[in-house]
Amino acid sequence: AIRMTQSPSSFSASTGDRVTITCRASQGISNYLAWYQQKPGKAPKLLIYGASSLQSGVPSRFSGSGSGTDFTLTISYLQSEDFATYHCQQYYSYPLTFGGGTKVEIK
Amino acid sequence: EVQLVESGGGLVQPGGSLRLSCAASGFIFSNYAMTWVRQAPGTGLEWVSAVNGGGATTYYADSVKGRFIISRDNSKNTLFLQMDSLRAEDTAVYYCARVFRGGDCADYWGQGSLVTVSS
Repeated sequence: AIRMTQSPSSFSASTGDRVTITCRASQGISNYLAWYQQKPGKAPKLLIYGASSLQSGVPSRFSGSGSGTDFTLTISYLQSEDFATYHCQQYYSYPLTFGGGTKVEIK
Repeated sequence: EVQLVESGGGLVQPGGSLRLSCAASGFIFSNYAMTWVRQAPGTGLEWVSAVNGGGATTYYADSVKGRFIISRDNSKNTLFLQMDSLRAEDTAVYYCARVFRGGDCADYWGQGSLVTVSS
């Protein structure tokens, strides 16, 4: 199975900050990478698919980049509603696998 | 509006069985693959299983292969997960989700159903 490694596992940031989360695949996955946002007690929400395509309705402050093994999720201007946990997922091959998650907390 | 509503979770003893259901509405159910993802308390997401729109092709995580069976009834717009030989490590919130047509990620999720395996 392809292993997905996210970093950092958590960090603190302030409203207005630009933040970047990274996700590394144990082997090349082309651009078959999705990012989800999850708030406590809620289901995940799809933000990005195809490594860089914004899901409908997702604010443009979210962006994704990367291909092959290294990917990033960037939030250009952190807002209060963005404090959450972010998960990456590869869908290049089964079994599908997720990263361990990155929790973004308020500084 | 797309809606996915899970049911069937609860407390079960180790070695026992449980069947989760996911009622779908707001889209043509048979046109979409569906998937189950779980989340153990305080941990990340774990993909469990997926099935294509017709129900003939299925996929499983190694951790559940041979114990869980995914199926669907397109006439009733319902997805199922039959879970047998349950273990303590299967304790989690189980989410059903619709597979995005642009790729095998999940674009709509249910609210989740808690399965607790304990004696």
